[in-house]
Amino acid sequence: SQELEQSPQSLIVQEGKNLTINCTSSKTLYGLYWYKQKYGEGLIFLMMLQKGGEEKSHEKITAKLDEKKQQSSLHITASQPSHAGIYLCGAGALDSGGYQKVTFGTGTKLQVIP
Amino acid sequence: ETGVTQSPTHLIKTRGQQVTLRCSSQSGHNTVSWYQQALGQGPQFIFQYYREEENGRGNFPPRFSGLQFPNYSSELNVNALELDDSALYLCASSLESVGEQYFGPGTRLTVT
Repeated sequence: SQELEQSPQSLIVQEGKNLTINCTSSKTLYGLYWYKQKYGEGLIFLMMLQKGGEEKSHEKITAKLDEKKQQSSLHITASQPSHAGIYLCGAGALDSGGYQKVTFGTGTKLQVIP
Repeated sequence: ETGVTQSPTHLIKTRGQQVTLRCSSQSGHNTVSWYQQALGQGPQFIFQYYREEENGRGNFPPRFSGLQFPNYSSELNVNALELDDSALYLCASSLESVGEQYFGPGTRLTVT
């Protein structure tokens, strides 16, 4: 089964600083999702990456998938308190039955200090 | 466009009891996936329903069962509750069985 490892597990940054969260897979990624979760709440979809070398940006958040499709990074520029939360990477995979199962990493908890 | 909704928000049950959690999928979505998220962990896939049929299952025992209705809303049933079942239960809907998943706010289940 696919294993996803996220690093760091937690991060405390001062407002205005840049930061990067990494997600490493034990297998080739065929679809990589980034979600944000506020404590105890549902997941908010951020971005999906599918192609090796793909990079997507939304506001101050940029996600990249490496060429080998086994590692993804999420970069936040000029962090704000609103960026605080838990960031989860998820890998989509199709099983032999054709259904999609998303396997998640354990998450990275981000705190932004004003 | 209505997002994914779940009910109830919070629930407290006693070990051995049974519980039913509900999920309304986003308008136009025919696929619902259920996840269990223990404290400090990422969500774990329970099962997926596509057009009213179970379309895949994670590593959960048979006492976790589900249903999907013609309007694509879904239920998660858990029998013989155990203390370890305490978790946030998330449902996600998607257009077809492969696609971006949109999550509901979750149901916080506490088993005492």
